[in-house]
Amino acid sequence: QVQLKETGPDLVQLTQTLSITCTVSGFSLTTYNVHWVRQPPGKGLEWMGAMWNGGGTDYNSAFKSRLSISRDTSKSQVFLKMNSLQTDDTAKYFCARRSGYYSLDYWGQGVMVTVSS
Amino acid sequence: DIQMTQSPASLSASLGETVSIECLASEGISNSLAWYQQKPGKSPQLLIYGASSLQDGVPSRFSGSGSGTQYSLKISGMQPEDEGVYYCQQGYKYPWTFGGGTKLELK
Repeated sequence: QVQLKETGPDLVQLTQTLSITCTVSGFSLTTYNVHWVRQPPGKGLEWMGAMWNGGGTDYNSAFKSRLSISRDTSKSQVFLKMNSLQTDDTAKYFCARRSGYYSLDYWGQGVMVTVSS
Repeated sequence: DIQMTQSPASLSASLGETVSIECLASEGISNSLAWYQQKPGKSPQLLIYGASSLQDGVPSRFSGSGSGTQYSLKISGMQPEDEGVYYCQQGYKYPWTFGGGTKLELK
C-alpha cells in the first residue's frame, strides 16, 4: 500500500539548516510527484514545493532561496532542506503524493520541528 | 498567488444536519479544487478532487460543487466522525494555495 514517512529532527537551532527525509513505498518517485506542505501549530496549511516525477522541482517563492528539494530514486526518498531557520519556521512538515487531479491523495504523518533560540 | 478565502471560519452542526462550507478563489481556477479534512494531530485526508469528484473510500454524504471562482463542500447529514477542520486547495497555478480552514464541531 502507499505510504510516506517523514524523518527529521525535533529541534533545530535558530539560523541553522533543517533537513527532512520523506521515504515512500507502494509507488515510484519516477511516476508520481511528491510535495511538501507545512503547518505551524494551530494554523493552516502552506504549500512549500514539489519534486516532479521527471526530477525537476518547483518552489514557493515565499521561501525565496532558502528551500531545496532533491531525491534519491534508488532509495525511494525525497529530501527537504531549508536554511536560515527562524522561529516562525516552527511547524509540522508533511510530504504528500500528488494524485493525477491537482490534489494530494496520500500524506505522511508529518514531523514536528521546533526552531529554538 | 491565488488567494483562497474560506467561510465560515467555524461552525457547529447537529447530528444529521446538512452543512455547507464555501471557498472563494481570487481568480478562476477551472475546477482545480480539492477539499481535505484534518482531525487533531493527524494528516489532512483528501475528500474531493476536481471540485466534485469523491475520493475513494470517502462517504457519499460528502459532495463538492462549484465553478469559476466559487466552490462549496456539502455534508449531507452530519456525523460525529465529521468533526475536524476542513481546507480547500487550488491546484490551478503554482504555488498551490489553501484556504484558511473551517472548524466543524458537533452541536
